[in-house]
Amino acid sequence: NAGVTQTPKFQVLKTGQSMTLQCAQDMNHEYMSWYRQDPGMGLRLIHYSVGAGITDQGEVPNGYNVSRSTTEDFPLRLLSAAPSQTSVYFCASSRVSLEGGQFFGPGTRLTVL
Amino acid sequence: AQSVTQPDIHITVSEGASLELRCNYSYGATPYLFWYVQSPGQGLQLLLKYFSGDTLVQGIKGFEAEFKRSQSSFNLRKPSVHWSDAAEYFCAGGGGATNKLIFGTGTLLAVQP
Repeated sequence: NAGVTQTPKFQVLKTGQSMTLQCAQDMNHEYMSWYRQDPGMGLRLIHYSVGAGITDQGEVPNGYNVSRSTTEDFPLRLLSAAPSQTSVYFCASSRVSLEGGQFFGPGTRLTVL
Repeated sequence: AQSVTQPDIHITVSEGASLELRCNYSYGATPYLFWYVQSPGQGLQLLLKYFSGDTLVQGIKGFEAEFKRSQSSFNLRKPSVHWSDAAEYFCAGGGGATNKLIFGTGTLLAVQP
């Protein structure tokens, strides 16, 4: 099992550019989520999904889009990057009940100039 | 509103000393509670979880946590800290009426030789 994988590990964008952060899991988990981590703020939920075709907003969804066409993949799209989106992004997956805890990917460090 | 609070931003302990990291939660019902550890530049690793039953839960790496409903707390403990325990620790809560996982802002642990 690879667990939760994320690509790329690092990315630098210019303001206004768009990009997609990839996330995949091979544990057949229904629940997948995206967080951003900023110093002193912990992890904040951007979007989450409880299954293919179902997505919902988290705490900080503005400027981000998601889709869930398969159980395995949950990409995060930045539509028009802004310096405020400079952060470390983590993808996580779990059973929908959360009882087993969430499993996290290694993260993507994004810098927007 | 549901929330998870970690009152201590930074803690320093001596190697071999005992450790207690505080976590308080605010939920309408008993939430699922988790402790994660993050080493520098790494993703988050699940240390332990509580969702029902015995209020004292054991985790990996010699950590334990106690759920105290009367104090709305879920503090993490370790009897003897090792230098390799230096990392950032996050408490998180979820479940109940929502399956969103809410994170505290983290406690950075430094270990003195």
